[in-house]
Amino acid sequence: GAGVSQSPSNKVTEKGKDVELRCDPISGHTALYWYRQSLGQGLEFLIYFQGNSAPDKSGLPSDRFSAERTGGSVSTLTIQRTQQEDSAVYLCASSLLAGGPDIQYFGAGTRLSVL
Amino acid sequence: AQKVTQAQTEISVVEKEDVTLDCVYETRDTTYYLFWYKQPPSGELVFLIRRNSFDEQNEISGRYSWNFQKSTSSFNFTITASQVVDSAVYFCALSGRNAGNNRKLIWGLGTSLGVNP
Repeated sequence: GAGVSQSPSNKVTEKGKDVELRCDPISGHTALYWYRQSLGQGLEFLIYFQGNSAPDKSGLPSDRFSAERTGGSVSTLTIQRTQQEDSAVYLCASSLLAGGPDIQYFGAGTRLSVL
Repeated sequence: AQKVTQAQTEISVVEKEDVTLDCVYETRDTTYYLFWYKQPPSGELVFLIRRNSFDEQNEISGRYSWNFQKSTSSFNFTITASQVVDSAVYFCALSGRNAGNNRKLIWGLGTSLGVNP
């Protein structure tokens, strides 16, 4: 696609429910990142995928968070047993990884509200 | 440790004023990259510029200019003749230390710029 696409744009859920957030990166981009942005805060790195390499999961805040990337393209971030502190905007970015630190291109994000 | 500091949390200016957004970074890497991104109210981060540590030339793009000074570990961003459409949160970021092929950006907390008509 023309840009990074994320769905849904907004998600309201009840505490304890599981949610899935989707990211469709720019076609041909081999790297994909998930970030979390809480109100008034900067970007918190969650997880990074690069081609067939093992993902860098070092930013996942707890074992309730997981992500997968199927076929090197679409990625799904899953949050199990959501808590109110999970409320944030979840941003996805992709990059070409053509050499040198990459320019990351971002989607519009998914705003998650846990009631 | 790598760190990016944007000391200005919020700035408010009147249209047509010039404004400078500060970014100070810390890194022990000799090769690194610095970035600026803009996040308008719509929420989508927009890439503005990438600069590598070996290129200290200032850069100008229209009303935007960037001043990179390794001696003070700063990469400041100036908007000349600001416009209402410049209202956004601006983030400065630093390329982190590579672990294998992984690359992460270290982000500042952002500066919220409001340009009033």
